[in-house]
Amino acid sequence: LAKTTQPISMDSYEGQEVNITCSHNNIATNDYITWYQQFPSQGPRFIIQGYKTKVTNEVASLFIPADRKSSTLSLPRVSLSDTAVYYCLVGGDNQGGKLIFGQGTELSVKP
Amino acid sequence: DAGVIQSPRHEVTEMGQEVTLRCKPISGHDYLFWYRQTMMRGLELLIYFNNNVPIDDSGMPEDRFSAKMPNASFSTLKIQPSEPRDSAVYFCASRGMGQPRTDTQYFGPGTRLTVL
Repeated sequence: LAKTTQPISMDSYEGQEVNITCSHNNIATNDYITWYQQFPSQGPRFIIQGYKTKVTNEVASLFIPADRKSSTLSLPRVSLSDTAVYYCLVGGDNQGGKLIFGQGTELSVKP
Repeated sequence: DAGVIQSPRHEVTEMGQEVTLRCKPISGHDYLFWYRQTMMRGLELLIYFNNNVPIDDSGMPEDRFSAKMPNASFSTLKIQPSEPRDSAVYFCASRGMGQPRTDTQYFGPGTRLTVL
């Protein structure tokens, strides 16, 4: 399973765009990139997944460069409720559904 | 759907006692995962099942831990005997047949275990 590296923490203010970058230098050809969000006292929640280029949903956008060795989660106009830990994971179906969580990025949004 | 259900939500016990955590996955999901989360070690995968069969238990810390899935709608994680270092939040998650990639695991609310 590819190892990921992301910042331990980030600070932002309400209304700003937040970009969290994750490095995954040894990503395999069939690996997908997935981001989860975890609020205090709750289990992680799936946010977005992509393979290459850009993916957008109602919560976030995911940018993946051509070499796929990194990815950037973009949260537009964050609010206080976006304060959470964000996990970047890479893996493919040949791992049988297994997810390995790294340390995540603790995002703190201030008023 | 009610989502993944875990019980109890909180458990306080004394060292040496047996602890049983319970999980009901989302109906129709064929994968079930048990995780443990602590400040020191983060979120760790303990074991996972596919169609009620244990597939990978390499994350189970030691023989004091055991997990079963007697049917598609119920799983237990047992610790016997419990130790203070087992104190953590234990999450159960499930994944459905319609999700072929390693995504969209649905997590339960967790069980906060405190071993005194």
